[in-house]
Amino acid sequence: GQNIDQPTEMTATEGAIVQINCTYQTSGFNGLFWYQQHAGEAPTFLSYNVLDGLEEKGRFSSFLSRSKGYSYLLLKELQMKDSASYLCAVKNYGQNFVFGPGTRLSVLP
Amino acid sequence: GAVVSQHPSWVICKSGTSVKIECRSLDFQATTMFWYRQFPKQSLMLMATSNEGSKATYEQGVEKDKFLINHASLTLSTLTVTSAHPEDSSFYICSARQDGRMGEKLFFGSGTQLSVL
Repeated sequence: GQNIDQPTEMTATEGAIVQINCTYQTSGFNGLFWYQQHAGEAPTFLSYNVLDGLEEKGRFSSFLSRSKGYSYLLLKELQMKDSASYLCAVKNYGQNFVFGPGTRLSVLP
Repeated sequence: GAVVSQHPSWVICKSGTSVKIECRSLDFQATTMFWYRQFPKQSLMLMATSNEGSKATYEQGVEKDKFLINHASLTLSTLTVTSAHPEDSSFYICSARQDGRMGEKLFFGSGTQLSVL
């Protein structure tokens, strides 16, 4: 089976940096995705990692360690609009994407 | 990025009626689309995988006779909630899988908020 774990909620201050962790247990790993979802809206794609290391994209970066079954999403220079849920999803060969429970991030002024 | 259109955005219906939700990939062909259900403050729950030209694959616990899925073309999948009841009220989201040289990616529709009275 597959298991994905994320913290349920996080709070951070505008302008700060926050790291959202995701741990997973799976077989036949074929990529890890991060999505952002604002309340009442559909998720939007943020990042994709299939090899170990850090992928940087503007204020957002995502890291993957396949041997540890671990990823994190790093958000820099936090803005109020970054308040949202962040979903970690794992893709296996020949199977569907499996989403984690999501982390609700609240950015405070 | 790729665009997936989902319609309608919201619908209110009477108990016992059927509701159809459409999901279209606008600028790419999607042999596989997915249908999710999401309750407030919860993550996405996969309901079924829709494959173009074949029957959908339903997740355990999802009634295939109640949630009819049709994937008649490479750009369109529909979900019909038959004989809807108040407990079917939820946020339904579709996604389409895009295959590219960088691997597979999912792109989501905007979601449909269904309220059954």
